[in-house]
Amino acid sequence: GAVVSQHPSWVICKSGTSVKIECRSLDFQATTMFWYRQFPKQSLMLMATSNEGSKATYEQGVEKDKFLINHASLTLSTLTVTSAHPEDSSFYICSARVPTSAIYEQYFGPGTRLTVT
Amino acid sequence: EDKVVQSPLSLVVHEGDTVTLNCSYEVTNFRSLLWYKQEKKAPTFLFMLTSSGIEKKSGRLSSILDKKELFSILNITATQTGDSAIYLCAPDSWGKFQFGAGTQVVVTP
Repeated sequence: GAVVSQHPSWVICKSGTSVKIECRSLDFQATTMFWYRQFPKQSLMLMATSNEGSKATYEQGVEKDKFLINHASLTLSTLTVTSAHPEDSSFYICSARVPTSAIYEQYFGPGTRLTVT
Repeated sequence: EDKVVQSPLSLVVHEGDTVTLNCSYEVTNFRSLLWYKQEKKAPTFLFMLTSSGIEKKSGRLSSILDKKELFSILNITATQTGDSAIYLCAPDSWGKFQFGAGTQVVVTP
């Protein structure tokens, strides 16, 4: 099956600093990637849709200037949390869409746990 | 407003029991519904359902979709402790997945 990796898997940063998370599709080209956030004991909430070569589409309530998304190639999307604060501490998960005929599947990366102190 | 409701929120069963998980949805431009299993990290794909009434099976797991009544069921037979996880359903709406809150299943030996 399709494999998606994320790096780093765990990061601790100080309040006010920025953190970059990478999402890579390892054995397929992903025209679309998604970024989710999951707080403890809650479900995945879609933050934004990242399309290769164009600007990301953010969900309502997600600050695009705070969560910068870059999808520079068909295998890599990055999420940068700028000026991180403790309330940004969460589990961030990316997924990549696999185009299969007209039906699409998403495969998830292993996630990145961000802790802001 | 789009809505995805999973029930029950959690359940505890003994090994060998059968569990039935429910997912009801109201989303615009529905295309398909996916089921995922989430243990400690990111979700892993179980099923994608696009047509009503056609059961999909994978080992002890099976799932079916009813597009008229807007729900899906995930069944796990002869449960094992390795089935303990959170099970998420996610209807595909406009090409984006809206996840339900999940059902936490705990299988005791």
